[in-house]
Amino acid sequence: DAKTTQPNSMESNEEEPVHLPCNHSTISGTDYIHWYRQLPSQGPEYVIHGLTSNVNNRMASLAIAEDRKSSTLILHRATLRDAAVYYCILRDRNSGNTPLVFGKGTRLSVIA
Amino acid sequence: DAEITQSPRHKITETGRQVTLACHQTWNHNNMFWYRQDLGHGLRLIHYSYGVHDTNKGEVSDGYSVSRSNTEDLPLTLESAASSQTSVYFCASSESKSGNTGELFFGEGSRLTVL
Repeated sequence: DAKTTQPNSMESNEEEPVHLPCNHSTISGTDYIHWYRQLPSQGPEYVIHGLTSNVNNRMASLAIAEDRKSSTLILHRATLRDAAVYYCILRDRNSGNTPLVFGKGTRLSVIA
Repeated sequence: DAEITQSPRHKITETGRQVTLACHQTWNHNNMFWYRQDLGHGLRLIHYSYGVHDTNKGEVSDGYSVSRSNTEDLPLTLESAASSQTSVYFCASSESKSGNTGELFFGEGSRLTVL
């Protein structure tokens, strides 16, 4: 799977939107962009994934650049519960069973 | 509700002892994975399985073994625990389906301390 680059840490105020960037300049045409997050003392949990078009679900939105070399996870109103490490992972759509490879992610702090 | 559970959640053991961490999932997922996570690091893959009697080595498999005798369970065994194996261990599972995007479901982790 291709490599991703994320900032080590970010900070946000509570109830404000948060934009978490991810660069993946070597992405291939068949790579899905997956986001997971890991709350303190818990296992990671799935957030969202997309291929080309922007995606929305109850947790977040995923904005994908037109050239697909970067993407942004958007939390529309950060809460204290959103403080976590966020992982951006590329996954070939033809390798649905293979293990995910996690990087170090972005540690998001939310300030009340 | 279906779930994935790990036990024990916390364990302290001594160097050289054999330790087994249990992982049980009720989703009937074919794919199961073990990761370890050390302070300041991301998750690193230890072993994984695509079905009964199938096991595969991951990035950091030395000193660990797994066996898959049924769909629900993938126990992780440390044959002779070492202090370097002090870590938090996460088990995960995913559905095996053509075209599946492979969403992983994780357990809550087992914190192992080797003295």
